[in-house]
Formats: sequence, structure tokens, C-alpha cells
Amino acid sequence: GENVEQHPSTLSVQEGDSAVIKCTYSDSASNYFPWYKQELGKRPQLIIDIRSNVGEKKDQRIAVTLNKTAKHFSLHITETQPEDSAVYFCAAPREGSARQLTFGSGTQLTVLP
Amino acid sequence: NAGVTQTPKFRILKIGQSMTLQCTQDMNHNYMYWYRQDPGMGLKLIYYSVGAGITDKGEVPNGYNVSRSTTEDFPLRLELAAPSQTSVYFCASSYAAEGWGETQYFGPGTRLLVL
Repeated sequence: GENVEQHPSTLSVQEGDSAVIKCTYSDSASNYFPWYKQELGKRPQLIIDIRSNVGEKKDQRIAVTLNKTAKHFSLHITETQPEDSAVYFCAAPREGSARQLTFGSGTQLTVLP
Repeated sequence: NAGVTQTPKFRILKIGQSMTLQCTQDMNHNYMYWYRQDPGMGLKLIYYSVGAGITDKGEVPNGYNVSRSTTEDFPLRLELAAPSQTSVYFCASSYAAEGWGETQYFGPGTRLLVL
């Protein structure tokens, strides 16, 4: 099945700096890569996703890049703010199923004021 | 729309007891999922359903059962609860029409403690 590795597990940045979280996946047929944000005690919520037919997608301060050759995708947050502090999860489809997701282990992002 | 709702929010079970976690969505989504999230960990897929009457196992199905009699409801049954089932359980749903993956919308979660 799909194996998704996420790094780093914790990340602290100063407010206004950028944060980058990286995930690698194993199934070369994977075609959909979402990123979820989970605040403490809350449900995961989608913040951005990318399909395999594009290499980059941006939404205001958040961007995702995809390198199909290397089988990795990254989340970029610019001009970080304290409200960006949360756990971020990447995910990729399980092998043979576009709709079963395998999640990474999560990155605890802390934005220091 | 209420989205995805779950009940109860929190429950304590004794070892060997059974319970059903309820999940309902009002978005007319065809796909529904159950995940568990252990402390400090990612989400593991327990079961999923592609439509009413159709369910299938995910990554960690042992100790659980599901049914999907309607589009809206997808209950998760725990039989003979064990301490290893202490976790937060999330239900999710999505509308999938083509071969691409689609956004999964999560419920607020049920926190289960088995003692």
C-alpha cells in the first residue's frame, strides 16, 4: 500500500518567516495530494490540494509543489502568523484507490510572536 | 447545511462493552469514511463506503463493523471494546465522480476512552 512520510515532525518559526513541510510517497500512480490543518481539539480541515497534472498551486499565503519524478510534495506557508500554529497533515491515495487516503504522521507548526 | 455530524462527543467504555458511534452527513456525498487518530499520530482509515449498501475495509478494521443503509448515515460499531481502541474517531465524507481524489469533509470527532 501507499507509504507517506512527512518531515519535520515539529517546526518552530518566527512570525513573518516562511515554513516548509515535505512529504514523500511511494505509489507512482498517486494523482491527488491534499494538505489538512488540524487545530488542537478540532477536526482536520483541507487547506489546499494538488492534482498530479500540475506542478504547483497557490492560494494566498499557502502553496503546494509537486515533484512526480522524486515522488514528493511540499507545503509552503509564507508570512506566517500565530494563527497558523497547528498540526499539518499531508495525504496521498492508497495504492489502487484514488479515494482512500494514507495520511502522514503530521507536523506540529508553532509560530512564535 | 450542518455538514458532517457525529455523536457522542465523548464516551467512556469498560473493557468488553459495545457501542455505536453515529455519523450523519447532509451534503449528499456518496463516499463516507471512518478514521481513528491516536494521540500525536496521523489518521488511520478503519472502514469506508462508496454508497448505500457498499462498505469495505480500510487499514485498521479489526474490532470494528460498519453498515450503510442510507446515503446520509454511516455508523461504526465497536464490539467487545479493548483499551487499544482508546482514540479519537473521525467520520468524513466526500463526493467522488471521476478518477481524481476529492476533498474529504470531517466531522467534529468522538473521543473514546476504554478502561
